[in-house]
Amino acid sequence: EDKVVQSPLSLVVHEGDTVTLNCSYEVTNFRSLLWYKQEKKAPTFLFMLTSSGIEKKSGRLSSILDKKELFSILNITATQTGDSAIYLCAVTNNAGNMLTFGGGTRLMVKP
Amino acid sequence: NAGVMQNPRHLVRRRGQEARLRCSPMKGHSHVYWYRQLPEEGLKFMVYLQKENIIDESGMPKERFSAEFPKEGPSILRIQQVVRGDSAAYFCASCAQATVSGELFFGEGSRLTVL
Repeated sequence: EDKVVQSPLSLVVHEGDTVTLNCSYEVTNFRSLLWYKQEKKAPTFLFMLTSSGIEKKSGRLSSILDKKELFSILNITATQTGDSAIYLCAVTNNAGNMLTFGGGTRLMVKP
Repeated sequence: NAGVMQNPRHLVRRRGQEARLRCSPMKGHSHVYWYRQLPEEGLKFMVYLQKENIIDESGMPKERFSAEFPKEGPSILRIQQVVRGDSAAYFCASCAQATVSGELFFGEGSRLTVL
Protein backbone atom coordinates (compact mmCIF):
# COMPACT_ATOMS: atom_id res chain seq x y z
CA GLU A 1 0.00 0.00 0.00
CA ASP A 2 1.33 3.42 -0.97
CA LYS A 3 2.19 5.64 1.98
CA VAL A 4 2.95 9.33 2.40
CA VAL A 5 4.17 10.89 5.64
CA GLN A 6 4.44 14.62 6.18
CA SER A 7 6.28 16.48 8.87
CA PRO A 8 5.96 18.47 10.95
CA LEU A 9 2.27 18.03 11.69
CA SER A 10 2.00 21.70 12.48
CA LEU A 11 4.20 24.73 12.53
CA VAL A 12 3.85 28.26 13.87
CA VAL A 13 6.18 30.97 12.55
CA HIS A 14 6.28 34.74 12.28
CA GLU A 15 6.02 36.76 9.12
CA GLY A 16 9.32 36.89 7.31
CA ASP A 17 10.51 33.51 8.50
CA THR A 18 11.51 30.74 6.11
CA VAL A 19 9.90 27.33 6.51
CA THR A 20 10.66 23.88 5.14
CA LEU A 21 7.96 21.25 4.95
CA ASN A 22 8.85 17.60 4.51
CA CYS A 23 7.20 14.75 2.67
CA SER A 24 8.46 11.18 2.57
CA TYR A 25 6.82 8.41 0.62
CA GLU A 26 6.71 4.74 -0.17
CA VAL A 27 5.18 4.02 -3.55
CA THR A 28 5.26 1.04 -5.85
CA ASN A 29 6.16 2.30 -9.33
CA PHE A 30 6.38 5.97 -8.42
CA ARG A 31 5.20 8.39 -11.09
CA SER A 32 4.92 11.87 -9.57
CA LEU A 33 4.68 13.86 -6.36
CA LEU A 34 2.36 16.81 -6.00
CA TRP A 35 2.01 19.61 -3.47
CA TYR A 36 -1.31 21.27 -2.70
CA LYS A 37 -2.26 24.19 -0.48
CA GLN A 38 -5.55 23.90 1.39
CA GLU A 39 -7.01 26.94 3.03
CA LYS A 40 -10.52 26.61 4.33
CA LYS A 41 -11.88 25.24 1.12
CA ALA A 42 -10.60 23.30 -1.90
CA PRO A 43 -6.98 22.17 -2.15
CA THR A 44 -5.21 24.18 -4.81
CA PHE A 45 -2.35 22.84 -6.85
CA LEU A 46 1.17 24.14 -6.23
CA PHE A 47 3.71 21.85 -7.87
CA MET A 48 4.13 18.53 -9.59
CA LEU A 49 7.53 16.86 -9.43
CA THR A 50 8.65 13.89 -11.43
CA SER A 51 12.44 14.18 -11.65
CA SER A 52 15.03 14.20 -8.91
CA GLY A 53 17.06 17.30 -8.20
CA ILE A 54 15.12 19.74 -10.37
CA GLU A 55 13.76 22.60 -8.32
CA LYS A 56 10.33 23.95 -9.14
CA LYS A 57 9.77 27.54 -8.15
CA SER A 58 6.78 29.84 -7.94
CA GLY A 59 7.39 33.17 -6.27
CA ARG A 60 8.39 32.54 -2.67
CA LEU A 61 7.60 28.84 -2.89
CA SER A 62 9.94 26.19 -4.18
CA SER A 63 10.07 22.42 -4.08
CA ILE A 64 12.47 19.65 -4.91
CA LEU A 65 12.26 15.88 -5.13
CA ASP A 66 14.81 13.23 -4.14
CA LYS A 67 13.79 9.93 -5.69
CA LYS A 68 16.72 8.07 -4.19
CA GLU A 69 15.86 9.01 -0.61
CA LEU A 70 12.14 9.09 -1.36
CA PHE A 71 11.28 12.54 -0.11
CA SER A 72 10.40 16.03 -1.16
CA ILE A 73 10.60 19.38 0.55
CA LEU A 74 8.53 22.50 0.10
CA ASN A 75 10.22 25.76 1.02
CA ILE A 76 8.46 29.02 1.67
CA THR A 77 10.66 32.09 2.10
CA ALA A 78 9.65 35.43 3.62
CA THR A 79 6.40 33.94 4.89
CA GLN A 80 3.23 36.03 5.00
CA THR A 81 0.02 35.57 6.95
CA GLY A 82 -1.64 34.53 3.70
CA ASP A 83 0.60 31.46 3.63
CA SER A 84 -1.30 30.08 6.62
CA ALA A 85 -2.88 26.86 5.39
CA ILE A 86 -2.60 23.10 5.37
CA TYR A 87 0.01 21.93 2.88
CA LEU A 88 -0.70 18.54 1.41
CA CYS A 89 1.72 16.23 -0.33
CA ALA A 90 0.46 13.46 -2.60
CA VAL A 91 1.96 10.81 -4.85
CA THR A 92 0.82 8.89 -7.89
CA ASN A 93 2.05 5.60 -9.26
CA ASN A 94 2.29 4.42 -12.83
CA ALA A 95 -1.31 3.33 -12.81
CA GLY A 96 -1.90 7.01 -12.22
CA ASN A 97 -5.49 6.59 -11.25
CA MET A 98 -5.41 8.34 -7.94
CA LEU A 99 -3.46 10.51 -5.55
CA THR A 100 -2.37 9.13 -2.19
CA PHE A 101 -2.19 12.00 0.26
CA GLY A 102 -0.16 12.55 3.38
CA GLY A 103 -1.78 13.89 6.52
CA GLY A 104 -0.71 17.45 5.77
CA THR A 105 1.30 20.09 7.59
CA ARG A 106 -0.71 22.87 9.20
CA LEU A 107 1.22 26.12 8.89
CA MET A 108 0.28 29.21 10.82
CA VAL A 109 2.09 32.47 10.09
CA LYS A 110 1.68 35.11 12.77
CA PRO A 111 2.01 38.80 12.00
CA ASN B 1 -15.26 28.57 -16.94
CA ALA B 2 -16.71 27.19 -13.74
CA GLY B 3 -14.54 24.95 -11.63
CA VAL B 4 -15.58 21.74 -9.96
CA MET B 5 -18.97 22.35 -8.37
CA GLN B 6 -20.12 20.44 -5.34
CA ASN B 7 -23.42 20.59 -3.53
CA PRO B 8 -24.62 20.81 -0.96
CA ARG B 9 -21.77 22.60 0.74
CA HIS B 10 -23.09 21.60 4.14
CA LEU B 11 -25.40 18.74 4.98
CA VAL B 12 -26.76 17.68 8.35
CA ARG B 13 -28.28 14.25 8.75
CA ARG B 14 -29.48 12.16 11.65
CA ARG B 15 -28.18 8.65 12.15
CA GLY B 16 -29.89 6.23 9.80
CA GLN B 17 -30.75 8.80 7.14
CA GLU B 18 -29.30 8.95 3.66
CA ALA B 19 -26.83 11.53 2.36
CA ARG B 20 -26.43 12.38 -1.31
CA LEU B 21 -23.50 14.51 -2.41
CA ARG B 22 -23.23 15.85 -5.93
CA CYS B 23 -20.26 16.82 -8.03
CA SER B 24 -20.17 18.46 -11.42
CA PRO B 25 -16.66 18.24 -12.85
CA MET B 26 -14.97 21.01 -14.76
CA LYS B 27 -16.15 21.44 -18.32
CA GLY B 28 -14.44 18.94 -20.56
CA HIS B 29 -13.39 16.67 -17.69
CA SER B 30 -14.68 13.12 -17.74
CA HIS B 31 -12.68 11.71 -14.82
CA VAL B 32 -13.96 12.20 -11.30
CA TYR B 33 -12.43 11.29 -7.95
CA TRP B 34 -14.02 11.37 -4.52
CA TYR B 35 -11.93 11.90 -1.39
CA ARG B 36 -12.88 12.03 2.27
CA GLN B 37 -11.19 14.25 4.80
CA LEU B 38 -11.68 13.68 8.49
CA PRO B 39 -10.93 16.56 10.89
CA GLU B 40 -7.18 17.13 11.29
CA GLU B 41 -6.38 14.46 8.68
CA GLY B 42 -5.32 14.34 5.05
CA LEU B 43 -7.45 13.35 2.09
CA LYS B 44 -8.30 9.67 1.71
CA PHE B 45 -9.13 8.30 -1.72
CA MET B 46 -12.55 6.72 -2.03
CA VAL B 47 -13.47 6.14 -5.65
CA TYR B 48 -12.48 7.01 -9.21
CA LEU B 49 -15.11 7.17 -11.93
CA GLN B 50 -15.37 7.92 -15.59
CA LYS B 51 -18.64 8.51 -17.36
CA GLU B 52 -20.91 5.54 -16.58
CA ASN B 53 -18.04 3.48 -15.17
CA ILE B 54 -16.48 2.90 -11.77
CA ILE B 55 -12.78 2.46 -12.40
CA ASP B 56 -11.42 2.06 -8.88
CA GLU B 57 -13.49 1.87 -5.71
CA SER B 58 -10.79 0.40 -3.51
CA GLY B 59 -11.05 3.23 -0.98
CA MET B 60 -14.77 3.06 -0.50
CA PRO B 61 -16.38 1.14 2.37
CA LYS B 62 -18.08 -1.99 1.08
CA GLU B 63 -21.37 -1.24 2.77
CA ARG B 64 -23.64 1.80 2.74
CA PHE B 65 -21.47 3.77 0.27
CA SER B 66 -22.01 3.94 -3.47
CA ALA B 67 -21.01 6.26 -6.28
CA GLU B 68 -22.10 6.87 -9.81
CA PHE B 69 -21.26 9.14 -12.69
CA PRO B 70 -24.07 8.90 -15.23
CA LYS B 71 -23.84 9.85 -18.87
CA GLU B 72 -25.84 12.97 -18.14
CA GLY B 73 -25.67 14.90 -14.89
CA PRO B 74 -23.33 15.10 -11.95
CA SER B 75 -21.45 12.40 -10.14
CA ILE B 76 -23.22 11.35 -6.95
CA LEU B 77 -21.77 9.90 -3.77
CA ARG B 78 -24.50 8.22 -1.76
CA ILE B 79 -24.21 7.19 1.87
CA GLN B 80 -27.06 5.13 3.24
CA GLN B 81 -27.94 4.77 6.92
CA VAL B 82 -25.35 7.33 7.97
CA VAL B 83 -23.49 6.95 11.26
CA ARG B 84 -21.59 9.55 13.29
CA GLY B 85 -18.29 8.29 11.90
CA ASP B 86 -19.37 9.40 8.42
CA SER B 87 -19.10 13.03 9.51
CA ALA B 88 -16.36 14.47 7.31
CA ALA B 89 -15.64 16.72 4.39
CA TYR B 90 -16.13 14.97 1.07
CA PHE B 91 -14.13 16.41 -1.80
CA CYS B 92 -14.62 15.77 -5.46
CA ALA B 93 -11.86 16.33 -7.99
CA SER B 94 -11.72 16.07 -11.74
CA CYS B 95 -9.18 15.90 -14.50
CA ALA B 96 -9.25 15.66 -18.25
CA GLN B 97 -6.72 12.90 -18.70
CA ALA B 98 -6.93 9.20 -18.06
CA THR B 99 -3.99 9.35 -15.70
CA VAL B 100 -3.20 11.93 -13.09
CA SER B 101 -0.15 13.27 -14.85
CA GLY B 102 -1.13 16.82 -14.21
CA GLU B 103 -3.19 18.96 -11.97
CA LEU B 104 -6.24 17.56 -10.26
CA PHE B 105 -8.92 20.20 -9.76
CA PHE B 106 -10.81 20.05 -6.49
CA GLY B 107 -14.23 21.28 -5.57
CA GLU B 108 -14.82 23.13 -2.33
CA GLY B 109 -16.14 20.06 -0.59
CA SER B 110 -19.37 18.96 1.01
CA ARG B 111 -19.29 18.90 4.78
CA LEU B 112 -21.48 16.19 6.22
CA THR B 113 -22.45 16.29 9.87
CA VAL B 114 -24.26 13.31 11.33
CA LEU B 115 -26.12 14.02 14.55
